[in-house]
Amino acid sequence: GIQVEQSPPDLILQEGANSTLRCNFSDSVNNLQWFHQNPWGQLINLFYIPSGTKQNGRLSATTVATERYSLLYISSSQTTDSGVYFCAGGGTSGSRLTFGEGTQLTVNP
Amino acid sequence: GAVVSQHPSRVICKSGTSVKIECRSLDFQATTMFWYRQFPKQSLMLMATSNEGSKATYEQGVEKDKFLINHASLTLSTLTVTSAHPEDSSFYICSARDLGGAGELFFGEGSRLTVL
Repeated sequence: GIQVEQSPPDLILQEGANSTLRCNFSDSVNNLQWFHQNPWGQLINLFYIPSGTKQNGRLSATTVATERYSLLYISSSQTTDSGVYFCAGGGTSGSRLTFGEGTQLTVNP
Repeated sequence: GAVVSQHPSRVICKSGTSVKIECRSLDFQATTMFWYRQFPKQSLMLMATSNEGSKATYEQGVEKDKFLINHASLTLSTLTVTSAHPEDSSFYICSARDLGGAGELFFGEGSRLTVL
């Protein structure tokens, strides 16, 4: 199956800083999503981005499908951005998602 | 976005009992739902794929007799943990994909199971 590698595993920022999270895939994916897991465990959908670039407020994501990676950008970070960020990919649009190990983000005031 | 709801959000049970967790797609239909398990400080691991009207597909190493999955309708899948033991304590999360959607997967709130 698809292997998903996320980096960095941990990231500590000061409020206001920018950051980039990366996700590498072992094989081509046709279905790619980024999530933020809140302290209660719920997964919040950030982006569905099999290819291209999307932006939503301070967050944006880029997927380069041909090179099997995706990036999540967080600008002007806030303490509420803290938590675990997961990327997940699947081989086809109807298939299950395989998750990376996540990036634990801590934003300090 | 589409809404997936899980119930209960928390459950504590005694060892040897069975626990049922429900996963509902509230505003869309889903022929397939996915059940994941997450241990503390770890990632989500797929347990099984639930197929409406047919048997679930289990991932390698997941005991199908312990984790019973029923997908009786296009909006409901259930996971029953049978004869639960403390090592089954975990966070269980279901997900579903809108049949008419682009392919995005939506997740429920999760169910935290504690087996005493």
